[in-house]
Amino acid sequence: DTEVTQTPKHLVMGMTNKKSLKCEQHMGHRAMYWYKQKAKKPPELMFVYSYEKLSINESVPSRFSPECPNSSLLNLHLHALQPEDSALYLCASSQPGTSLGDTIYFGEGSWLTVV
Amino acid sequence: AQKITQTQPGMFVQEKEAVTLDCTYDTSDPSYGLFWYKQPSSGEMIFLIYQGSYDQQNATEGRYSLNFQKARKSANLVISASQLGDSAMYFCAMSLPSGYSTLTFGKGTMLLVSP
Repeated sequence: DTEVTQTPKHLVMGMTNKKSLKCEQHMGHRAMYWYKQKAKKPPELMFVYSYEKLSINESVPSRFSPECPNSSLLNLHLHALQPEDSALYLCASSQPGTSLGDTIYFGEGSWLTVV
Repeated sequence: AQKITQTQPGMFVQEKEAVTLDCTYDTSDPSYGLFWYKQPSSGEMIFLIYQGSYDQQNATEGRYSLNFQKARKSANLVISASQLGDSAMYFCAMSLPSGYSTLTFGKGTMLLVSP
């Protein structure tokens, strides 16, 4: 069983809605990530938080707003999304450091459909 | 910039047989890590195996082994004794040294295991 928990598993939202995706990990990891994955494509990095500070924003539109309330939690706030934002959103965590063996562990993903 | 290439969009194997999934990579950095992930249709990205660029021996994890040929820049995944539950998308990925791990993924290979 994965130690990175994502909720909800499935989300359908209208283009004017505001919703949030939530992610929680209890592995003591201090780096957390959001990836977006379209059908039949590899995941694409969106955001990286390291020690609760935003370290990477891969030019993601402002309708996606990440938040890291503490070292175990990561949220992705969604507002005014477009149908093309429909995708699988994967949360992940790792223990940052200089070792290349800092494996990234993923959650089960949240399937988002924008109607 | 780093690049991962998976040239096999799909592979078929019979149950109990071994299968090799190909992965080549390109980077000018001498220090890097190589990962394989499995993604079933449910969406979860499952970590399988890791190989560091300075590791002398090929990595093994149960039925999974990584055939690391540094001079050829290849990191093929070998699955022995395939099982029906191995049917999934498999991604090869690479990370470079940083304070946290960010993965560059290949396009993936869909593996189907038949009875």
